[in-house]
Amino acid sequence: DGGITQSPKYLFRKEGQNVTLSCEQNLNHDAMYWYRQDPGQGLRLIYYSQIVNDFQKGDIAEGYSVSREKKESFPLTVTSAQKNPTAFYLCASSIVLLDYNEQFFGPGTRLTVL
Amino acid sequence: AQSVTQPDIHITVSEGASLELRCNYSYGATPYLFWYVQSPGQGLQLLLKYFSGDTLVQGIKGFEAEFKRSQSSFNLRKPSVHWSDAAEYFCAVTFQGAQKLVFGQGTRLTINP
Repeated sequence: DGGITQSPKYLFRKEGQNVTLSCEQNLNHDAMYWYRQDPGQGLRLIYYSQIVNDFQKGDIAEGYSVSREKKESFPLTVTSAQKNPTAFYLCASSIVLLDYNEQFFGPGTRLTVL
Repeated sequence: AQSVTQPDIHITVSEGASLELRCNYSYGATPYLFWYVQSPGQGLQLLLKYFSGDTLVQGIKGFEAEFKRSQSSFNLRKPSVHWSDAAEYFCAVTFQGAQKLVFGQGTRLTINP
């Protein structure tokens, strides 16, 4: 089955540690996205990538970093500079078309920083 | 700036009752509109989308939405809700050539038995 995989589903880290969240897709999509979700705030875009080896900052990129070395993979690192990292993180992907952008979502990773 | 507003943070309806969730957007160009549903602790699932053509679009699980350009709205409706419809619903919008979706803050739907 084609889809988006995020691992792990739950992640616990101590304050001050960097942590990397995995996102893999086998939909052959060009574009991939990372969102952060907090209660009552909807989804906020962290980073996105439309092509391998290129990515752009979203609305809340501070304290996060990404890489896009392969089309299928778009890992997100939450660094110690992120002041409030506890949240639900969602990865998405889409075909890159001229006209529109329909995104497909993974199941999410809940990160808790202790 | 582009924005999407879902005025209702939380809605409660009885099982079997009709449902309407509101969504308003602010854009200058022709929008592309989406409704997603999220069960607790899960990812988002696309319910329906509007790109062009007929302004009343049908989606999965018996949902429909109507695009009203004059009101900048894209409200989601269902004639008769089921207990399994309890979830959070997100409206999202983009426009031609853009690669980012802008999401509303979501509406949490509770179903009374």
